[in-house]
Amino acid sequence: EVQLVESGGVVVQPGGSLRLSCAASGFTFDDYAMHWVRQAPGKGLEWVSLISWDGGSTYYADSVKGRFTISRDNSKNSLYLQMNSLRAEDTALYYCAKDGVAVAPAGTSYYFDYWGQGTLVTVSS
Amino acid sequence: EIVLTQSPGTLSLSPGERATLSCRASQSVSSSYLAWYQQKPGQAPRLLIYGASSRATGIPDRFSGSGSGTDFTLTISRLEPEDFAVYYCQQYGSSLRSGFGQGTRLEIK
Repeated sequence: EVQLVESGGVVVQPGGSLRLSCAASGFTFDDYAMHWVRQAPGKGLEWVSLISWDGGSTYYADSVKGRFTISRDNSKNSLYLQMNSLRAEDTALYYCAKDGVAVAPAGTSYYFDYWGQGTLVTVSS
Repeated sequence: EIVLTQSPGTLSLSPGERATLSCRASQSVSSSYLAWYQQKPGQAPRLLIYGASSRATGIPDRFSGSGSGTDFTLTISRLEPEDFAVYYCQQYGSSLRSGFGQGTRLEIK
């Protein structure tokens, strides 16, 4: 059974930093690209970032580019999101999601076939 | 960047009725790289349809997807009580162009 478990969400002040983690199990982690998707309270879904299956390519939404860094440790089946210079508008539930196609070509993402339950990040003074 | 517009914003129907949800793209979606997700309150989204018309694993056959180019549709043939939720479409294929529609809320009439 595929499981994705996020952690690390807390209340942080504007300008602060935070690192989210996602522990994956139930599939061959290093065969799949992984994503972070967020959802502000009462709002829709926003794709945040993608890392390729081998960690060699990363992509970001314009809203977080230059402030967030996605990474992965395939030896630990783990995905990370380093979040710096946090703003109030970054307040959201952050989901990690598994790409739907194995060994996708760099620069290509697919549908998200499994999602974690999310971790809540609140940016507030 | 491709912008996805879903309609209607809210759809009020009764169990047993047919639901038709629309997703329109601002540019043609290549290779029908269009997915649909269902999200219930307090839950993560669940993949329903990918490739515009392929049902994900375990999804009942009352859910179907259709369309190509810029116009896509999710149809629920006969609504069950558990189908009332928010539905999102997503365009994928290029990491520089992945995005979601704003969602359609399907509520009980």
